[in-house]
Amino acid sequence: QKEVEQDPGPLSVPEGAIVSLNCTYSNSAFQYFMWYRQYSRKGPELLMYTYSSGNKEDGRFTAQVDKSSKYISLFIRDSQPSDSATYLCAMTLGGYNKLIFGAGTRLAVHP
Amino acid sequence: NAGVTQTPKFQVLKTGQSMTLQCAQDMNHNSMYWYRQDPGMGLRLIYYSASEGTTDKGEVPNGYNVSRLNKREFSLRLESAAPSQTSVYFCASTTMGDTQYFGPGTRLTVL
Repeated sequence: QKEVEQDPGPLSVPEGAIVSLNCTYSNSAFQYFMWYRQYSRKGPELLMYTYSSGNKEDGRFTAQVDKSSKYISLFIRDSQPSDSATYLCAMTLGGYNKLIFGAGTRLAVHP
Repeated sequence: NAGVTQTPKFQVLKTGQSMTLQCAQDMNHNSMYWYRQDPGMGLRLIYYSASEGTTDKGEVPNGYNVSRLNKREFSLRLESAAPSQTSVYFCASTTMGDTQYFGPGTRLTVL
């Protein structure tokens, strides 16, 4: 079993929809949780970063962490065609420990 | 401020050939990483360098070597390329091992 599980999709939604992306993990010691966005043929770029359980909002994006269930989510409100990308969750124990990535979910938002 | 740069962007090798992928960062980060990304596999860590002068194996180190040349530069060498090393290679850097910043990637094909 992988340490981090993420449904690879693809996920196709109409413009304006609310998108929910999820990851589950097995190591309860993970402390830091991230979402990266990766456009086709580009490097991943950091989208959201959270430390504790709860919600963190940034514009149309909300990151949610539930440590008791070992489950993290990324919500995108009013999705736009420019949101079409692969979304990777990542997590780490912190400090100089390695990031563990999910496989990534490919999202397509169509006009 | 260029962030993380990688050269070359594309490379085609024949089985058995060697090559070095170059990575440099201008953000004064301590830690640097090399990943490979294959379809459906997410990002897998090859090697990392927590600080100048140190290197450690990641999840998939076989067939690769690295050199942390100085604080800015971290190179990845393939001594005898194999078709299984066909992939997209990303370099990343960070100050504390959690929020990583990625380069644009090198697309490598081994025939």
